[in-house]
Amino acid sequence: GAVVSQHPSRVICKSGTSVKIECRSLDFQATTMFWYRQFPKKSLMLMATSNEGSKATYEQGVEKDKFLINHASLTLSTLTVTSAHPEDSSFYICSAGLAGPGTQYFGPGTRLLVL
Amino acid sequence: QQQVKQSPQSLIVQKGGISIINCAYENTAFDYFPWYQQFPGKGPALLIAIRPDVSEKKEGRFTISFNKSAKQFSLHIMDSQPGDSATYFCAARTDSSYKLIFGSGTRLLVRP
Repeated sequence: GAVVSQHPSRVICKSGTSVKIECRSLDFQATTMFWYRQFPKKSLMLMATSNEGSKATYEQGVEKDKFLINHASLTLSTLTVTSAHPEDSSFYICSAGLAGPGTQYFGPGTRLLVL
Repeated sequence: QQQVKQSPQSLIVQKGGISIINCAYENTAFDYFPWYQQFPGKGPALLIAIRPDVSEKKEGRFTISFNKSAKQFSLHIMDSQPGDSATYFCAARTDSSYKLIFGSGTRLLVRP
């Protein structure tokens, strides 16, 4: 099956620093990758959609300068949380979509804690 | 119109029982309806999915029932096991977009 990995699985950082999260599709080429944020006991909130080689499309209310997304290849997308603050602490999950009417396969998530 | 409403919020079932989770939607352009299972601290995993041209799809103990006229679909877990205890999300998507619209989730607890 389609496997998506994320790195790191958890990160603790100081307020004001930037954190980069990687999302990789291991056994398929993903034309589209998605970044979600999930609060405890809540549903997934789509942050942005990224297509390889083009700028990400952000959902309403998501600060694009705060959450930088780069999709440099068909197997790698990165999310950088810039100048992180405690309110950015959350569970961040990526997913990768197959070309055509494919489904999304989710990564294992990254737990970010900003002190 | 983009919402997917999911119920119940939580569900407790005895081992061996049937777990039923329901979802409803408004957008008739939705044409792909997956269910995801998520364990604590993990990403969602695709469980089963259906398209509106069929009324039911079964994979092992998991069955999706789809009612196009009522714009409702449900997940049935037969012979529920403690290992099924997780949060389940329904979702919907149009064929022209990769974006998934998620339901609010159902926390299932299967008691031994």
